[in-house]
Amino acid sequence: KNEVEQSPQNLTAQEGEFITINCSYSVGISALHWLQQHPGGGIVSLFMLSSGKKKHGRLIATINIQEKHSSLHITASHPRDSAVYICAVPTGTYKYIFGTGTRLKVLA
Amino acid sequence: EPEVTQTPSHQVTQMGQEVILRCVPISNHLYFYWYRQILGQKVEFLVSFYNNEISEKSEIFDDQFSVERPDGSNFTLKIRSTKLEDSAMYFCASSDRTGGEQYFGPGTRLTVT
Repeated sequence: KNEVEQSPQNLTAQEGEFITINCSYSVGISALHWLQQHPGGGIVSLFMLSSGKKKHGRLIATINIQEKHSSLHITASHPRDSAVYICAVPTGTYKYIFGTGTRLKVLA
Repeated sequence: EPEVTQTPSHQVTQMGQEVILRCVPISNHLYFYWYRQILGQKVEFLVSFYNNEISEKSEIFDDQFSVERPDGSNFTLKIRSTKLEDSAMYFCASSDRTGGEQYFGPGTRLTVT
């Protein structure tokens, strides 16, 4: 069983749709990091959160530490949102354990 | 805004050759990490480094791998004798405190032929 699981693995949406990506984890301390990876391979930080909710533009991330679950929402999705979205959990030794990623494709 | 940089962006090498991947972490950060991502797979932890020594390493990080902070700015990953299965994207990351947010470099794509 993966220590960090994401769902769905693949997601295709129409432009303008509301998107939700989920992350459940069995390891980690008290925070979670959402990252974005574009086709070129670089990793961009979106949010690090340890409680409640964070919002940046059209992106919203929520976390429930007790249930070890986090969601990333994208409102009014756009083709430029197409990327792989990854959740990563810092463990007790502070290395990150990564999820397998959710590959999002937004169609115009 | 400070960022982690990595060089080269792409390295092609022959099996058995030594490679050194370079990273410049954010200047006031003290904790450094290497991760790798084989094509189509998830990102995996290789090694963490603090206070000039390895804090933790994964099973992947065998005797063929080594890390070094040769000066006050660079952090390097050396693979002594590359294998085909070392082909991957290698990411360097740094953070300013334990458990803190890690900042990732753009990666080095290593291709072993």
